Amino acid sequence: EAQVTQNPRYLITVTGKKLTVTCSQNMNHEYMSWYRQDPGLGLRQIYYSMNVEVTDKGDVPEGYKVSRKEKRNFPLILESPSPNQTSLYFCASSFIGQGDSPLHFGNGTRLTVT
Amino acid sequence: GENVEQHPSTLSVQEGDSAVIKCTYSDSASNYFPWYKQELGKGPQLIIDIRSNVGEKKDQRIAVTLNKTAKHFSLHITETQPEDSAVYFCAASKTGGSYIPTFGRGTSLIVHP
Repeated sequence: EAQVTQNPRYLITVTGKKLTVTCSQNMNHEYMSWYRQDPGLGLRQIYYSMNVEVTDKGDVPEGYKVSRKEKRNFPLILESPSPNQTSLYFCASSFIGQGDSPLHFGNGTRLTVT
Repeated sequence: GENVEQHPSTLSVQEGDSAVIKCTYSDSASNYFPWYKQELGKGPQLIIDIRSNVGEKKDQRIAVTLNKTAKHFSLHITETQPEDSAVYFCAASKTGGSYIPTFGRGTSLIVHP
């Protein structure tokens, strides 16, 4: 089954404790991206990647890191989480093609930083 | 860059009524407009999309219309059912460009039985 898999689904942590949220897709998509969703703010892009070893900042990259060592995986790293990073996070992927391919989203990771 | 405005932020209808969600975009070069539905506890999923060479597209009870001159596009849901209750996002992007889609802020649709 074609899918984007995120882990974990729920995560509670404390300020400053490094964490990684994993994302994997099995559709051979070139493009992968991370979003955070907050009430009233919609989906805001954190980082994206157009292909292996190619990453770039989105609209809200501060406090986050990513890597794209393999085509299928795109982990999101919070080196020193803070309470303002409490949010619902989504990974998404798509073909690039002509730029008119829809995004496939994972089911989300709800992160709470205390 | 592109800016996408989406209205309303919340929409409450009775079962069987129609629902319309509207989006405007700023970049006249945008030419791909997908709509996503996000059910509770899940990620957004594509429900319909339209390209700028088409004015309207239908798929059963949902339809999308595009007015390139006015730079707005709308999602129409007819004969709404409780399972249509969800958050809907519009987006805009352009082929051959930076590709990155810009999302509206979402509309929470509530269908009352």
